[in-house]
Amino acid sequence: SQELEQSPQSLIVQEGKNLTINCTSSKTLYGLYWYKQKYGEGLIFLMMLQKGGEEKSHEKITAKLDEKKQQSSLHITASQPSHAGIYLCGADDNFNKFYFGSGTKLNVKP
Amino acid sequence: GAGVSQTPSNKVTEKGKYVELRCDPISGHTALYWYRQSLGQGPEFLIYFQGTGAADDSGLPNDRFFAVRPEGSVSTLKIQRTERGDSAVYLCASSLNRQGIAGDSNEQFFGPGTRLTVL
Repeated sequence: SQELEQSPQSLIVQEGKNLTINCTSSKTLYGLYWYKQKYGEGLIFLMMLQKGGEEKSHEKITAKLDEKKQQSSLHITASQPSHAGIYLCGADDNFNKFYFGSGTKLNVKP
Repeated sequence: GAGVSQTPSNKVTEKGKYVELRCDPISGHTALYWYRQSLGQGPEFLIYFQGTGAADDSGLPNDRFFAVRPEGSVSTLKIQRTERGDSAVYLCASSLNRQGIAGDSNEQFFGPGTRLTVL
């Protein structure tokens, strides 16, 4: 099976600070997805990366996939309280299964 | 348009009972997924449907769990003889395309989940 490890498990930052969340796979990824989840709600799609070295940005969030397609990072610039939640990386194995990391819980202090 | 919906939002049952959880995917989405999420963990894959058929049910933990999608749209996850360890949030997601098609984004749209509590 393909496992995804996320770090850190939890993070508390002051509003306005930058932060990075990492996601590492034991195998080469076919597609890497970042989702955000708020308590009691479903997952909200953020970005998908598929090519080695790919980088995508949306507002203040940037996601990168390394050349080997085994590691991804999610970077938030100038964090805001609205960024608080659980960030999950997910990956598919080009067949049927979809795997998730255990998540990174982010709190942003005003 | 409407997103993925799941009913009920909360279900409390007693050990040994039978429960059904329903998922209404986005119209036109051929792929449907069920996941189970325990507290503090990421979602765990249970089963994937492509159309009416279960393309991969290897994530179902045991034979007490079963899921159907008879008309290729709504899906029902069925749990027999529930146990306390079945307590979790059950998430459903749908996507437009099947897995494994090169170049396609397999973005999954998630429902809000059903919180199952087995007493």
